[in-house]
This record gives sequence, structure tokens and C-alpha cells, in this order.
Amino acid sequence: EVQLVESGGGLVQPGGSLRLSCAASGFTFSSYSMNWVRQAPGKGLEWVSYISSSSSTIYYADSVKGRFTISRDNAKNSLYLQMNSLRAEDTAVYYCARDPTIFGVAHSFFDYWGQGTLVTVSS
Amino acid sequence: DIVMTQSPDSLAVSLGERATINCKSSQSVLYSSNNKNYLAWYQQKPGQPPKLLIYWASTRESGVPDRFSGSGSGTDFTLTISSLQAEDVAVYYCQQYYSTPLFGPGTKVDIK
Repeated sequence: EVQLVESGGGLVQPGGSLRLSCAASGFTFSSYSMNWVRQAPGKGLEWVSYISSSSSTIYYADSVKGRFTISRDNAKNSLYLQMNSLRAEDTAVYYCARDPTIFGVAHSFFDYWGQGTLVTVSS
Repeated sequence: DIVMTQSPDSLAVSLGERATINCKSSQSVLYSSNNKNYLAWYQQKPGQPPKLLIYWASTRESGVPDRFSGSGSGTDFTLTISSLQAEDVAVYYCQQYYSTPLFGPGTKVDIK
């Protein structure tokens, strides 16, 4: 059974940093591209970042470019999102989501999602 | 940049009746080289992550009930729930993946 479990969320002051993790199990993590998608409270879904299976291809939404860094450790079956210079508008539930294409390097839909971790940016 | 819109914002349908949700992209998401529409649909219930229902505009994800169907091509797409069940109360999102992934604003479906 595919499982994605996010962690690392919490309350942080504006300008602060946070590192999110996503632990994957139930599939060959190293074969799949992964994404972070966020959802502000009561709002819709916003794609944040993409990383290919080998980390060779990375994309960011304009809203986080230069502040967020996506990475992965295939040996640990883990995905990460380092978030710096956080702003109030970054407050959201952050989901990790799997791209169903094996060894894909292009954008796709998302077939499995974690339960999410809440990031609150407030003083 | 592609802009995604959905209509209506919300709808209430009687149990057993049809629910129809529309999604429109500002540019075509049909890729001519493979004749595929890069459009997916998701269902999100309160307190839960989104669940993939439909991809390539009309391919139902494994395990999704056949009362859910997707149609359309180019810029105009539809998600149809043929016979609404109580468990279908949710917000439904379309998403294009022709370019940088972008979701529509969502349509809330309730029971009348």
C-alpha cells in the first residue's frame, strides 16, 4: 500500500525557516517524481514544487522560487522541502504528492497524496 | 500562463440525480503529438487530501466508481456524477498538467 507521511509543520515567525519531510513507503520511491502541493486554509490547491526521480529536474512555482528548496534522499525514501524567508501567505497545509509516471521528467497529475502538514506563519 | 476556471462555484443536487461540473482552460491542453488532453479531476472531502478521480480528461482512476465520468477536449471539460450519492459531497477540482500544474478554483457539491 502506497503511503506518504508528511512531518515538520508548525508555527514559525515571518522571515523564519522550516523543513518539511515526507516519508514514502509501499512503492519504489526512487522511480517516481514527487511534488509538494499546498492549500491555504479554506482555499484551493496550489502546486509548489517538483523533483524528478534522480533529482536531475526541479521546478518551482514563481511564488516560492528563491525561497524554497526541494530535495530527496532515495536511500531513505524521503522527500524534503526547505522553506526560508517565510511569509504569512505561505500559511497552508503542505501535501507531498506522487507523480505516477515512472522516471518521468515532465509535469503530470498526482495519484497519491499524503495527509498533509500544517505550516502557520505568524508573529 | 494558462488560467483555469470552474463553474458553478457550488451546486446542490438531489440524491440519485446527475451533477455536472465544468472546467475551462484559457489555452488548449490538448497535446497534438499524442492527442491527449492534459487534464485531471480530483475530489476532496473535508479534512482529507485530494483524491484522483480522472486523468487524461476521461480515464477513470482504478477503484473510482463508474458514476464518475470525464469528458471534453481542448479548453472545455466536464466532470459528471451520474447518480449522486451521499458520499460524493465534496469539493471537486480540475487540474491541467500541459504546463506548470494549475488547479481550478473548485466546485462544492452538496445534497439538495
